[in-house]
Parts: sequence; structure tokens; C-alpha cells
Amino acid sequence: KQEVTQIPAALSVPEGENLVLNCSFTDSAIYNLQWFRQDPGKGLTSLLLIQSSQREQTSGRLNASLDKSSGRSTLYIAASQPGDSATYLCAVPSGGYQKVTFGIGTKLQVIP
Amino acid sequence: GAVVSQHPSWVICKSGTSVKIECRSLDFQATTMFWYRQFPKQSLMLMATSNEGSKATYEQGVEKDKFLINHASLTLSTLTVTSAHPEDSSFYICSAWTAGGDTQYFGPGTRLTVL
Repeated sequence: KQEVTQIPAALSVPEGENLVLNCSFTDSAIYNLQWFRQDPGKGLTSLLLIQSSQREQTSGRLNASLDKSSGRSTLYIAASQPGDSATYLCAVPSGGYQKVTFGIGTKLQVIP
Repeated sequence: GAVVSQHPSWVICKSGTSVKIECRSLDFQATTMFWYRQFPKQSLMLMATSNEGSKATYEQGVEKDKFLINHASLTLSTLTVTSAHPEDSSFYICSAWTAGGDTQYFGPGTRLTVL
């Protein structure tokens, strides 16, 4: 059974700081990994999807890396802004086609 | 980009009543959709896989007679919470993958409160 852990559970940083969010998973036999953002009371917004053949993906100020062998992924946010405040979730395939397991998320607060 | 909608966005109902939640893929077809539930301060938990034209597949511990799923077309899946009770109060979210399975899109969620 796939288990996903995200560290830290919460993070508060001043605006402009670079930060790293961590995701680890127990079953490394995955074909991709996806990072999402969730604003309070809202659904999920896809940020980045990394295929197993890739080591990283970039979108604007976001960079996600994947190390399958060690069961880890990181989401790097450069020059953080107050609008980045949200909960960030990673999702990893588990137990069937297109089924995923989510971590509990990292709640980020960027202070102006 | 692909859009998934849900209706209603929030609903309050009395204990014992049934509530139907709709999930639609607006600009793409989805033979498979997924229903998740999220309790406060917890992550999303997969409830069931909705398959167009066939029965849904439920995760362990999810009562199929309580959470009825119908995937009537390639763009619509419905989740009906039957005889709802306060412990069913939660945030319900659906998702669908685009053709080719390169990205998963989520609906905005439905907040259910059972009094």
C-alpha cells in the first residue's frame, strides 16, 4: 500500500524567500508524481506533473524534482509571494490505473 | 485547459435525506472519474472509481449502498449520499484524467453539511 508523507506540515516564511517542500513515498514503482495547490475551501489546482522518466519539471517560479529510487520529491518555490499561501499536496499513483494517494499536505503562509 | 465542474458547491441537508452531487467534464470526455472525500485537516481519500457505462469500484471501507455512483455519460458522474448523517459531512471532490492520462483535473469540490 502506497503511503505518502509530506514535511513540513506547516511553513511560514517572509515574502521573497525561497523554500522547499518535501514529499516521500513508500512504493517507488510509480509512473509519475503530481503536485497540487489547494486554497481553503476550494478544489485542487494542478501545478506540476513529473513523469517517471523525468528528474524535474519547471513552471515559472516552481520547480519539482523526482528521485524514484529514494522515494522522494521536492517542490521548490522561488521568491515566494503572499499569493502563494495555500496547502500544497503531492499525489502518487497507487494500486491501479490513474488512482493516486495524496499526502496530507504542507500548509504554506507567506507573510508580506 | 480542461475543466471539471461540480454542482452544487455547497449543500446543507437534514439527517436522513439524500443528496446528489454532479461532476462534469466540460471540454473533454472522461471514461473514468474519481470521487474523493476530505475531512478537516486531513488529506483527500479516494472513495470510488466511477466508470462510464458500468458499475463503480469502491475503496475498502466505503459503503456502496450509501454512496451511489452513476456515470451516465462520458461527461457526467453523479454521487448520491443516501440517508445522510452528520458524520457524512465533508468536502467531496471529483477528478478526471484527460485522454492520454497526462494530467488529472479536479472539480472545485462540494461542501456537504448534514444537520
